[in-house]
Amino acid sequence: QKEVEQDPGPLSVPEGAIVSLNCTYSNSAFQYFMWYRQYSRKGPELLMYTYSSGNKEDGRFTAQVDKSSKYISLFIRDSQPSDSATYLCAMSFSGTYKYIFGTGTRLKVLA
Amino acid sequence: ETGVTQTPRHLVMGMTNKKSLKCEQHLGHNAMYWYKQSAKKPLELMFVYSLEERVENNSVPSRFSPECPNSSHLFLHLHTLQPEDSALYLCASSLFLAGGSYNEQFFGPGTRLTVL
Repeated sequence: QKEVEQDPGPLSVPEGAIVSLNCTYSNSAFQYFMWYRQYSRKGPELLMYTYSSGNKEDGRFTAQVDKSSKYISLFIRDSQPSDSATYLCAMSFSGTYKYIFGTGTRLKVLA
Repeated sequence: ETGVTQTPRHLVMGMTNKKSLKCEQHLGHNAMYWYKQSAKKPLELMFVYSLEERVENNSVPSRFSPECPNSSHLFLHLHTLQPEDSALYLCASSLFLAGGSYNEQFFGPGTRLTVL
């Protein structure tokens, strides 16, 4: 079983839709949960991170962590064509530099 | 220049060539990383440096040789590569190697490597 599972997509949605991106994981010791966005021909950039459980909101983006289910989500409200990118989830233990990444989900928002 | 820069952006090389990838961070960070990103695979951590000292070599073949002459620069020297080494090579940096609080890794744009 992979440590982090992420559906590769592609996921196509119309402009204005609510997008839900998800990852599952197997190691209950993960403490930090990150979402990175990667545009074509660019490096990943951090969108949000969450420590332990709970929700975090930043503009149109909401990150959720459910440690009991070992499941994390990123919601994008009012999606825009500029949100078209690959979204990578990543996780780490407290006090370590090692990130465990998902394979990424490719998202297309159609105008 | 700001953030993390990488050169070249694209590289095509034969299996017998020797080439180097360069990374420079303009963030005043103390830790630098090399990752490999292949299609449909998670990012793979290759090497980690903290204050110019290598702290991680994640079972990477010896045909990849890293060098960190100072805390702002990181190189990846390549020789006798295989076609399966074709991938996007990403450099990243962070303020510290690890600590009690979140330690964000900032990524460069990557070098797209093709081995013929």
